[in-house]
Amino acid sequence: GDSVTQMEGPVTLSEEAFLTINCTYTATGYPSLFWYVQYPGEGLQLLLKATKADDKGSNKGFEATYRKETTSFHLEKGSVQVSDSAVYFCALSDQERIYNQGGKLIFGQGTELSVKP
Amino acid sequence: SQTIHQWPATLVQPVGSPLSLECTVEGTSNPNLYWYRQAAGRGLQLLFYSVGIGQISSEVPQNLSASRPQDRQFILSSKKLLLSDSGFYLCAWRPPFFLGANTEAFFGQGTRLTVV
Repeated sequence: GDSVTQMEGPVTLSEEAFLTINCTYTATGYPSLFWYVQYPGEGLQLLLKATKADDKGSNKGFEATYRKETTSFHLEKGSVQVSDSAVYFCALSDQERIYNQGGKLIFGQGTELSVKP
Repeated sequence: SQTIHQWPATLVQPVGSPLSLECTVEGTSNPNLYWYRQAAGRGLQLLFYSVGIGQISSEVPQNLSASRPQDRQFILSSKKLLLSDSGFYLCAWRPPFFLGANTEAFFGQGTRLTVV
């Protein structure tokens, strides 16, 4: 079945450091891929998404490129800030799940990021 | 624009008491609705999803149940809470199927449930 695997956290960085959070997936067909962010005590917010191979999603300085050849969707940011401290979730959705399984998203286990000043 | 409301924000309940968490979506029709649970320091566990009024699918057998009495209302319930029901409960919605697989899910702010 479909699955998403993220690098384990917590990840601790100093302010202005480069961030990479790895995400790989297993899916049939051509899924859409998402990154969500969860700040402490809050729900999830969409950070960015990509819907086909080689698409690059970007938002708030974060980027991720849909790589079908490596089945990856790694999240990157060139210079993190303390305010980026949160839990980041990679997720996928494919056409089969839309029609057969209520359109549910498949989430990775989440990666906690802590940025120190 | 669409909004999702989830309440209460926090809840402390004794073991054996009933539970009712409510979620409503505004500004859309025929949404797909979801209940997730997030235990402390863990990922998201999908509990239930619904593709229409009265249609509930359970992902994990447990002490909880869900209902969808109206198109944009999704309720999570329990007759008798267990300590293991403690966690952060999130309601979410996605646009209906005909809009395809490219649309994201939108989450509520969550309910922190502590069973004591």
